[in-house]
Amino acid sequence: NAGVTQTPKFRILKIGQSMTLQCTQDMNHNYMYWYRQDPGMGLKLIYYSVGAGITDKGEVPNGYNVSRSTTEDFPLRLELAAPSQTSVYFCASQLWGEKLFFGSGTQLSVL
Amino acid sequence: KNEVEQSPQNLTAQEGEFITINCSYSVGISALHWLQQHPGGGIVSLFMLSSGKKKHGRLIATINIQEKHSSLHITASHPRDSAVYICAGATGNQFYFGTGTSLTVIP
Repeated sequence: NAGVTQTPKFRILKIGQSMTLQCTQDMNHNYMYWYRQDPGMGLKLIYYSVGAGITDKGEVPNGYNVSRSTTEDFPLRLELAAPSQTSVYFCASQLWGEKLFFGSGTQLSVL
Repeated sequence: KNEVEQSPQNLTAQEGEFITINCSYSVGISALHWLQQHPGGGIVSLFMLSSGKKKHGRLIATINIQEKHSSLHITASHPRDSAVYICAGATGNQFYFGTGTSLTVIP
């Protein structure tokens, strides 16, 4: 098992550019999450999914979009990047009520 | 006020010391998670507990449901334990994350 695979590890974007952060898990987890981590703050939920075809907004969804066409994949799309989206992004997955498994993170800078 | 509060924010210890990190929560939860994040690294789940105590190697996690409090203990601390430790309260698929305790263990 590879666990949760998240790419890329680092990215620099210019203001207004778009990109997709990829997240794949091979543990057949139904729940998947995207979080952002800012210095001195707890993880903030961007979007989550309870299964293929089902997604919902979290605490800080503005400027992001997601899709969940398969159980394995949960990409996060940034449209029209802004400096406020400079952060470290983590994808995570779990079976309901079980431990969370995290990807290795993506450090994104928007300049 | 955050739903989950951790203390201390920063902790420096000498190698071999016994370490305690505290987590208090103000919301109803079904489980409490302890996570570890090494500098520049990913996040790893250490424990998930809903009652009592769990032990894994030198790490021990306890929870007191009535007092809404959990502790993470590290016995015989080692420099490789240096990391940020995050507690998170879970209810269903909603998580309330603390801001983390940064631990540095000096040789």
